[in-house]
Amino acid sequence: DAGITQSPRHKVTETGTPVTLRCHQTENHRYMYWYRQDPGHGLRLIHYSYGVKDTDKGEVSDGYSVSRSKTEDFLLTLESATSSQTSVYFCATGQETQYFGPGTRLLVL
Amino acid sequence: AQSVSQHNHHVILSEAASLELGCNYSYGGTVNLFWYVQYPGQHLQLLLKYFSGDPLVKGIKGFEAEFIKSKFSFNLRKPSVQWSDTAEYFCAVNPPITGANNLFFGTGTRLTVIP
Repeated sequence: DAGITQSPRHKVTETGTPVTLRCHQTENHRYMYWYRQDPGHGLRLIHYSYGVKDTDKGEVSDGYSVSRSKTEDFLLTLESATSSQTSVYFCATGQETQYFGPGTRLLVL
Repeated sequence: AQSVSQHNHHVILSEAASLELGCNYSYGGTVNLFWYVQYPGQHLQLLLKYFSGDPLVKGIKGFEAEFIKSKFSFNLRKPSVQWSDTAEYFCAVNPPITGANNLFFGTGTRLTVIP
């Protein structure tokens, strides 16, 4: 699997606070993705990036923004966290085949 | 709406039993197909993938899957499961949508293997 790390691995925050999750890859993949995983829904794409400063929305992008200033880093920001954003967030990289990071478990109280 | 369906939500098997997990999709055209496995508390790992060619695909850990285009299906199989196969299994499809290699996932099938 690609060298993918995510930070933090666990976070508890309060409703209304901003939260930024980081994904870091060492494989120089052009494509990077953010998914959320919820029971009964599988994984759903939030945003993806096809290069530095090139991003686009996925299936469930409302309430999230992303940035990619370097090839290796892809940031996911919850501008004002809500309880519905409590989830496990996975980053993935790769083009034809996607490889996943270890995930970030986020709890919004 | 176009989708990926995994009809088995939870499957319970005894060790050495045979496994078949269903996956159906509703996208037309040429698709890339994947099965991922998620062991408890871990991230998704790729089991196998199909892009083209032989519709019977072999993956890691003795898993295989068969692509049947006429049925829009990509079922996962294993002849004899082990306790260590206990995990959640996700089917994913990369449909022919321009712009990216986005994956659409099924809701997953939880497999419990009883020793």
